[in-house]
Amino acid sequence: AQRVTQPEKLLSVFKGAPVELKCNYSYSGSPELFWYVQYSRQRLQLLLRHISRESIKGFTADLNKGETSFHLKKPFAQEEDSAMYYCALSQADSGGSNYKLTFGKGTLLTVNP
Amino acid sequence: EADIYQTPRYLVIGTGKKITLECSQTMGHDKMYWYQQDPGMELHLIHYSYGVNSTEKGDLSSESTVSRIRTEHFPLTLESARPSHTSQYLCASSEPGDNYGYTFGSGTRLTVV
Repeated sequence: AQRVTQPEKLLSVFKGAPVELKCNYSYSGSPELFWYVQYSRQRLQLLLRHISRESIKGFTADLNKGETSFHLKKPFAQEEDSAMYYCALSQADSGGSNYKLTFGKGTLLTVNP
Repeated sequence: EADIYQTPRYLVIGTGKKITLECSQTMGHDKMYWYQQDPGMELHLIHYSYGVNSTEKGDLSSESTVSRIRTEHFPLTLESARPSHTSQYLCASSEPGDNYGYTFGSGTRLTVV
């Protein structure tokens, strides 16, 4: 079964330190992966998509098919990065023609001053 | 402004009452979703729809029901609320295809007493 694993429920770093939020997946097809972020008192919002190969707010994520990972990284964490981060996998439904997202359990990142 | 709206934001209701959580989007998206999220926990897909008159049950069994009579409207109904239904309910919509992220509403936090 398709699954998304975020092994760290909590992650705490100091401002200016590098940060890596881990995400591993299991999927038999070609995965489409996303990172979502939820800041305090705000909506869940898309941070980045692996297919875009973009950097958003200094964050990047590389799909490693060999390790089945999609870790989120930022070289220098900022206090405003403190939030809940969810990794998500897009999977086809039973009909194979439509897709839905499966989310990991999330990692709460705290960036200390 | 094109967006997705959920009402009410908060609802406290007694056991046995019938409730409907509203979700509307003005982006013209065919795909809409309902997720259930307990505080600090993962999101579970409970219902989704790929268009008018299309509804499917999600990965997490739910006693709620949904309808999709209009593209922009995807309400969720609980015929008889119970304390076990206490949770946050998130509505989302997306464009077709597996590469597009979801746009989430602000959520409805339901408390059944």
